[in-house]
Amino acid sequence: QSVLTQPPSVSGAPGQRVAISCTGSSSNIGAGYDVHWYQQLPGTAPKLLIYGNTNRPSGVPDRFSGSKPGTSASLAITGLQAEDEGDYYCQSYDSSLSGWVFGGGTKLTV
Amino acid sequence: EVQLVESGGGLVQPGRSLRLSCAASGFIFDDYAMHWVRQAPGKGLEWVSGISWNSGSIGYADSVKGRFTVSRDNAKNSLYLQMNSLRAEDTALYYCAKDSTAGPVSTSGWVDYWGQGTLVIVSS
Repeated sequence: QSVLTQPPSVSGAPGQRVAISCTGSSSNIGAGYDVHWYQQLPGTAPKLLIYGNTNRPSGVPDRFSGSKPGTSASLAITGLQAEDEGDYYCQSYDSSLSGWVFGGGTKLTV
Repeated sequence: EVQLVESGGGLVQPGRSLRLSCAASGFIFDDYAMHWVRQAPGKGLEWVSGISWNSGSIGYADSVKGRFTVSRDNAKNSLYLQMNSLRAEDTALYYCAKDSTAGPVSTSGWVDYWGQGTLVIVSS
């Protein structure tokens, strides 16, 4: 059972928009700790997608965006493409556990 | 170019030990905190341990506390994970990961570079 809760799967047609939620608690997201997102394509290591709740590293398309309303965070992907298929993870810090925590991951099907 | 190359994985019996290594290059290793993150087959990511730039601050997931020990040798640009009393549930791909933040294990940090992982299988 992950400390950060994500939906196991989401799906959308090419060109559509999807959103992936990451729900935490008062010891992590709700305490104000930043949320970061990673994309893991099949058979590869994870790749940073969003850092500091809303920031995109260079090279990440602006189709990907992050937000953090309250005790949850959200990753939105617009203009879905087939190559977006993979697993997406949120990550934050938990003060009760004194360490980093990941969400359970969400499988995106396009 | 930042490179993180893990080694030391393999098949090990329950209760035995294994030591993982990570060779880092392409950045000033002793400036940054480092982490181990694992992924069991078909499962999600799990943070295992983090160590600050000078080894002064170390953290572990509850699932490995008391059994695993993280260390680093800045002179050798290397990160290590000593794993003792291994269990079947420790079977996973272990990633070496660079913290985005210079200095301590940051509460606001993220992984900006990942290795390709080394596979540990705990089975009799």
